[in-house]
Amino acid sequence: AQSVAQPEDQVNVAEGNPLTVKCTYSVSGNPYLFWYVQYPNRGLQFLLKYITGDNLVKGSYGFEAEFNKSQTSFHLKKPSALVSDSALYFCAVRDRAGGSYIPTFGRGTSLIVHP
Amino acid sequence: DGGITQSPKYLFRKEGQNVTLSCEQNLNHDAMYWYRQDPGQGLRLIYYSQIVNDFQKGDIAEGYSVSREKKESFPLTVTSAQKNPTAFYLCASSISWTSGRNTGELFFGEGSRLTVL
Repeated sequence: AQSVAQPEDQVNVAEGNPLTVKCTYSVSGNPYLFWYVQYPNRGLQFLLKYITGDNLVKGSYGFEAEFNKSQTSFHLKKPSALVSDSALYFCAVRDRAGGSYIPTFGRGTSLIVHP
Repeated sequence: DGGITQSPKYLFRKEGQNVTLSCEQNLNHDAMYWYRQDPGQGLRLIYYSQIVNDFQKGDIAEGYSVSREKKESFPLTVTSAQKNPTAFYLCASSISWTSGRNTGELFFGEGSRLTVL
């Protein structure tokens, strides 16, 4: 079985400060991991994914995420937050060893960047 | 540009009426999905289809129906049996499950917001 947790419903950060949105996962095999962003009344947009290789993954809009196998985490980071980064962020996982090709999504974390 | 088109963007329905949400993709994807999104509950899978003329129930299929007569199209009908249909509905697609290249990455439409009056 695969599962993903986003322990924070909301993250607040000041513009210009670094931001971190947390994600932990559970799979029986090795994971495929994803981050998506959703703006109000819009669909989910793909930010980045971890497939294999380098643990630090770089994505769109200056975001990056670090895969940590020992801590089963895939936290989303950005060195300097922008007000326009304010949105809902979803982490998702798919177990390579699982029979389903459908990813499991976290409940989402609302990021609020204050001017 | 390739993508997924959902329509209508906003829809109002009276209780007891069926409504159909459209989802069309030109990404040449075999697999398509419908999700329901409620505040604070993340995404819940309603139905999915791996290939034309085949579809499977997801976690919350009761009160919904789908069809997959064409590769490009996967319409969702919200029936009067759905007790709480007011929600944001998202359609998504992915490459074939049997391609050997599927990682689970989904491509989403812009969503349809259904409000029952």
